[in-house]
Amino acid sequence: KNQVEQSPQSLIILEGKNCTLQCNYTVSPFSNLRWYKQDTGRGPVSLTIMTFSENTKSNGRYTATLDADTKQSSLHITASQLSDSASYICVVFNNAGNMLTFGGGTRLMVKP
Amino acid sequence: NAGVMQNPRHLVRRRGQEARLRCSPMKGHSHVYWYRQLPEEGLKFMVYLQKENIIDESGMPKERFSAEFPKEGPSILRIQQVVRGDSAAYFCASSPLGQGSYEQYFGPGTRLTVT
Repeated sequence: KNQVEQSPQSLIILEGKNCTLQCNYTVSPFSNLRWYKQDTGRGPVSLTIMTFSENTKSNGRYTATLDADTKQSSLHITASQLSDSASYICVVFNNAGNMLTFGGGTRLMVKP
Repeated sequence: NAGVMQNPRHLVRRRGQEARLRCSPMKGHSHVYWYRQLPEEGLKFMVYLQKENIIDESGMPKERFSAEFPKEGPSILRIQQVVRGDSAAYFCASSPLGQGSYEQYFGPGTRLTVT
């Protein structure tokens, strides 16, 4: 069964600190992995999309890593800001079924 | 280039009424996806459409729910005889081609409340 598990479910950090969010998946065959940011009351916005051959991809203060062997990805946020408070969703695309599988998300709260 | 547009943003229906949710994809995008997000839960895929075709409706409840994406006009997600459990945020996304390698761009969502 295709699954995407994210941890932690929720996280509180102080402004300026770094944090890392985890994503483990069992989707097969793997095609690509995406990280989205979803602000409360809004639609998800793409942060990165990574294919099998990519290990690291950055988007400003966001850096995603992918280990296709262990089927793990992480999203590292550097020097957090209050505006980083949101849900972060890991999504994996399965080539065979033409399906996206969504993780449950990590709710991040950045406090001043 | 306007993003994905959804309307209404908020919709209140009484049990038994019909709800019609509209999605206008980004300009040039011919693929539309609908997702449902229950309170405090993640997004769940419902249906994937191209113009005039349903490609994948494996996530759609078998009864009361239907979707269309006509040649002209927005995509419509229709829920008949709504029940309280239908209360959720419904998001639409679009992409220029099939969902494989292409980014999906999400709309702001329609929040449906069934009273």
